[in-house]
Amino acid sequence: DAGVIQSPRHEVTEMGQEVTLRCKPISGHDYLFWYRQTMMRGLELLIYFNNNVPIDDSGMPEDRFSAKMPNASFSTLKIQPSEPRDSAVYFCASSRWTDTQYFGPGTRLTVL
Amino acid sequence: KQEVTQIPAALSVPEGENLVLNCSFTDSAIYNLQWFRQDPGKGLTSLLLIQSSQREQTSGRLNASLDKSSGRSTLYIAASQPGDSATYLCAVRPSIQGAQKLVFGQGTRLTINP
Repeated sequence: DAGVIQSPRHEVTEMGQEVTLRCKPISGHDYLFWYRQTMMRGLELLIYFNNNVPIDDSGMPEDRFSAKMPNASFSTLKIQPSEPRDSAVYFCASSRWTDTQYFGPGTRLTVL
Repeated sequence: KQEVTQIPAALSVPEGENLVLNCSFTDSAIYNLQWFRQDPGKGLTSLLLIQSSQREQTSGRLNASLDKSSGRSTLYIAASQPGDSATYLCAVRPSIQGAQKLVFGQGTRLTINP
């Protein structure tokens, strides 16, 4: 298996622009997680899905952030409009119920 | 609210030494605890997972212990090598049924000097 795939790996954008991050989980995994990692706050869970349904989005910082999972093999995290404080590394992870979480390589987002 | 703390934030040791990384958590009601490794610019890789009913897990030169009552876990690395240099993160999963949320510590950045 190729593991969790994320795209793009790097994204540089200007404040106010829309940003879309993409994730393909490992086949057969029914949980998908979006995390954000910064030096100040460490690794934070933003939202997670079970069988394509959002279960807990309490970590989503504000309404500018939205996430979707239209099918079992694809998810997006969208930021609109983006702000400099959104600069971070965003990770996607997937798992089965009793298994550990497998992380993707991350997307490094820089908002100028 | 569960909080996870890792001390020290950074550690530098000579190659060949045995070392211990520490993790503490505030709520002992956990489902399991995991240790992850993160290399610069990469995602996290799971090293060891300890269920709440277990005391320790071993994989090669790594041994993780869990003491739920005191809210502590340690990761022991034997005969350290330069390739062990990375950031090590501890994460706990709450015991609430259906709660897949992991709470992470800030990590310990480990450097093994040749």
